[in-house]
Amino acid sequence: GEDVEQSLFLSVREGDSSVINCTYTDSSSTYLYWYKQEPGAGLQLLTYIFSNMDMKQDQRLTVLLNKKDKHLSLRIADTQTGDSAIYFCAEEEGGADGLTFGKGTHLIIQP
Amino acid sequence: EAGVAQSPRYKIIEKRQSVAFWCNPISGHATLYWYQQILGQGPKLLIQFQNNGVVDDSQLPKDRFSAERLKGVDSTLKIQPAKLEDSAVYLCASSLGFSMGKETQYFGPGTRLLVL
Repeated sequence: GEDVEQSLFLSVREGDSSVINCTYTDSSSTYLYWYKQEPGAGLQLLTYIFSNMDMKQDQRLTVLLNKKDKHLSLRIADTQTGDSAIYFCAEEEGGADGLTFGKGTHLIIQP
Repeated sequence: EAGVAQSPRYKIIEKRQSVAFWCNPISGHATLYWYQQILGQGPKLLIQFQNNGVVDDSQLPKDRFSAERLKGVDSTLKIQPAKLEDSAVYLCASSLGFSMGKETQYFGPGTRLLVL
C-alpha cells in the first residue's frame, strides 16, 4: 500500500536553512505536496511539485524531487521563528484523489 | 474568498454517545473530503465526495461512521456510537473537482473530538 515517511523532529538555528525530507512508496504519484500545520490550526498548503519536475522554487522554499529514489525534500532558507510548525509531506495519485500524508516533521527553531 | 468552514470547533463526549460534525466547503468546489488526524499522526482520508456521490470510502469504519452530502454542498460526518480511539481532529477539505490536472485541496480548521 501507499506509505509516506518523514523524520519526526528537526531543530535548526534561526537564520539557517532547514531541510525536511520525505520518502514515499507509490511510484504512480502524480503530485507531491508540502503542508504546514501550526498549533491548533488547520493545514496550509505551502507548495507542490508535479512528478515530472525535479525542482521547484518559491521565494524561501525549494522543493527537490528524486523520482528514482522516491525522495522529496523541502528547503526553507533563512528560517524564522514563524516557521516553527509541523510540516507534512503528502502524495496524490492524480485527479481529485485523496491525499496520503506522512506523520509530519516538527520544525523547532533555536534562537 | 471564504475558506472551508467547520463546526463545532471542539466537542467532548462520553464513549457510546453520538456526535456529528458539519462542513461547508468553498463555494463552487465539487469535491469534498473528510480526514481523521489522530494526535501525532498525519491526516488519514475517511471519505471523498464528488458533488453528492461517494468516490472513495474505503477507509471509513462503516459500522460506526457515516457521512452524507445530500445537496452536493454541505456535508455532515457522524459517529455512532463513539469509541475512545475516535478522539482526533476531523478535518474537512474541498477542491474544484474537475480532474483536469492538479487539484489543490483547501482545509478547514478542523473539529477536535475528545471521547471520554
